[in-house]
Amino acid sequence: QKEVEQNSGPLSVPEGAIASLNCTYSDRGSQSFFWYRQYSGKSPELIMFIYSNGDKEDGRFTAQLNKASQYVSLLIRDSQPSDSATYLCAVTPGAGGTSYGKLTFGQGTILTVHP
Amino acid sequence: EAQVTQNPRYLITVTGKKLTVTCSQNMNHEYMSWYRQDPGLGLRQIYYSMNVEVTDKGDVPEGYKVSRKEKRNFPLILESPSPNQTSLYFCASTIGGPYTDTQYFGPGTRLTVL
Repeated sequence: QKEVEQNSGPLSVPEGAIASLNCTYSDRGSQSFFWYRQYSGKSPELIMFIYSNGDKEDGRFTAQLNKASQYVSLLIRDSQPSDSATYLCAVTPGAGGTSYGKLTFGQGTILTVHP
Repeated sequence: EAQVTQNPRYLITVTGKKLTVTCSQNMNHEYMSWYRQDPGLGLRQIYYSMNVEVTDKGDVPEGYKVSRKEKRNFPLILESPSPNQTSLYFCASTIGGPYTDTQYFGPGTRLTVL
């Protein structure tokens, strides 16, 4: 079993819809969780991180964390074609939203938002 | 401009010929990492470094070496490359502090081993 598993995708949603991206992890020692976005041919860039159970909102993005069930999700509201990218979930044993450089990534989910 | 640079960006080599991919950051970050990215497997961490002369294995360290003699540089060394090391490689750095942790990635190095 992979340590970090993301919904396989690809995921296609219409413009304006909510895109839901899911990630499960196997290590109960994981403390902090990150979502990165990677456009085709580019480097990953951080969207947000979360380390407490519950929801964290940043603009159109909401991260949800449930440590008991070992899953973390990313919701993108009012999806735009510019959101079309690969979304990578990453986890670390570091607490308080810090990785100390040690990160384990999922395999990524390709999202396409069509007009 | 704050950035992570990698060289070369593209490299084609043959099995067994030692190579080094350089990585440099100008943000005075403590932590640096190397990843490889393969289709369907996502990013996998090869090695990471917490400071000068302090390094640790990531998830796929076999066949790779690293060194951290200066804070800004973190080269990746392939002593005897093999075709299964054909991949897209990313270097990253982070300040590592709580609530501010962001990995800044370099542009990537596409390596082909024949």
